[in-house]
Amino acid sequence: DTAVSQTPKYLVTQMGNDKSIKCEQNLGHDTMYWYKQDSKKFLKIMFSYNNKELIINETVPNRFSPKSPDKAHLNLHINSLELGDSAVYFCASSQELAGGRRETQYFGPGTRLLVL
Amino acid sequence: GQSLEQPSEVTAVEGAIVQINCTYQTSGFYGLSWYQQHDGGAPTFLSYNALDGLEETGRFSSFLSRSDSYGYLLLQELQMKDSASYFCAVHSSASKIIFGSGTRLSIRP
Repeated sequence: DTAVSQTPKYLVTQMGNDKSIKCEQNLGHDTMYWYKQDSKKFLKIMFSYNNKELIINETVPNRFSPKSPDKAHLNLHINSLELGDSAVYFCASSQELAGGRRETQYFGPGTRLLVL
Repeated sequence: GQSLEQPSEVTAVEGAIVQINCTYQTSGFYGLSWYQQHDGGAPTFLSYNALDGLEETGRFSSFLSRSDSYGYLLLQELQMKDSASYFCAVHSSASKIIFGSGTRLSIRP
């Protein structure tokens, strides 16, 4: 009955490789997000999709490409991995409430990416 | 631009009360959230304030002053399990949340 799940939990790879991280939510939420948390714990939003449409695209290298096949899934593909991509990547979801409010984000367990 | 400031570290004693402050600058403001993150874990939602005043949820309370662009998280009757990082987050639009850099709370017996 996991609310937001991510795979894999750990990812160790070489520079230059291409990798994907998958995210699924079973909460019926309309919006999903990707965040990057670096070694200093700074949590930065990367992308947001609402009903499969991209609504937030922060300043992220175009090596990062999100894909939302349906409302419950948001995957992150990273091309040509670099050392600086090493971080924890969190997927999250939220639901719009009455009046357009959106209060709570539910986070997945994170994917720990290490680029060697 | 958008920015949030919160202390990087706070230390407190078990059973005591601690307050973690957050000041923010944002072009749009919908509300202020607080999240808790234990080492190796994911952020989990604690509270949300859209209006001025104090919101209480058990041992945790959160306060917001929109005119001062300021809020705080108050933790009472501290327990060792409350040792974690605490993030304030500004909802700058209906969908976008900007997180602060986090406050690491250490609790001594």
